[in-house]
Amino acid sequence: DGGITQSPKYLFRKEGQNVTLSCEQNLNHDAMYWYRQDPGQGLRLIYYSQIVNDFQKGDIAEGYSVSREKKESFPLTVTSAQKNPTAFYLCASSMRQGWTEAFFGQGTRLTVV
Amino acid sequence: QKEVEQNSGPLSVPEGAIASLNCTYSDRGSQSFFWYRQYSGKSPELIMFIYSNGDKEDGRFTAQLNKASQYVSLLIRDSQPSDSATYLCAVNVYGQNFVFGPGTRLSVLP
Repeated sequence: DGGITQSPKYLFRKEGQNVTLSCEQNLNHDAMYWYRQDPGQGLRLIYYSQIVNDFQKGDIAEGYSVSREKKESFPLTVTSAQKNPTAFYLCASSMRQGWTEAFFGQGTRLTVV
Repeated sequence: QKEVEQNSGPLSVPEGAIASLNCTYSDRGSQSFFWYRQYSGKSPELIMFIYSNGDKEDGRFTAQLNKASQYVSLLIRDSQPSDSATYLCAVNVYGQNFVFGPGTRLSVLP
C-alpha cells in the first residue's frame, strides 16, 4: 500500500530536549512538507523540500530543522530553541511542488512535559 | 501575503440536508483548489479537487469554482452525522506551496 508514514504517533519532550519526528513516503513523490497545527487552527508551513538535498523554510521555521537525504524521507527535528512546541505535526507529500494534491501522514502529537 | 478565508463555523445542518461550505482566496494566479476533511485528532484527507470554472461532482459532494469571484465552495448533499468534521480549503499556484484556509467546522445533527 502506498502512503505516508509518520512516527511516533505520540511524543513527549522534556524542556531543553531536541526530538526528531520521522516521515517516510513510498509514493515516489518529489515534494514533501511539514506543517504544524495548533488546536482549532489551520495548517502552518514549517519546511518544504522539492528534491533530495534541498529544502526551504516555510512561514514558521524558527526552532525547527530538517534534512532530505533520501527521496522517501523527510525528518523534522524540533530543537530546544522552539519555545512552544506542543502541537500536532503533519507531514505531507505531492508529486510536484504545487502541481497536484498533497497527501498527509497520520500526524505526530508532540507534548512538552 | 496570499490568503485563503473560510467561515470558522460551526455550521450546523440537520441530517439529510445540504451543507454549503465556502472559501475565498486572494491570489488571482491560483490554479488548483482542494477540499480536505479532517476529523478531530486525525490528519486531513482529500475529498475533491477542481481546476476549472464550474461544478465538479463526486457522489454526494460537489465542488464549485468561480475564478472571477475568487470563490470556491463545497456542497454536501444528504448530509450524514459521519460528515461532521472540519473542512479545509487549500489553494495553490503551480510551482508554489499550498495555502490552507483555517477550516470550517461542520456539525450534522441526527
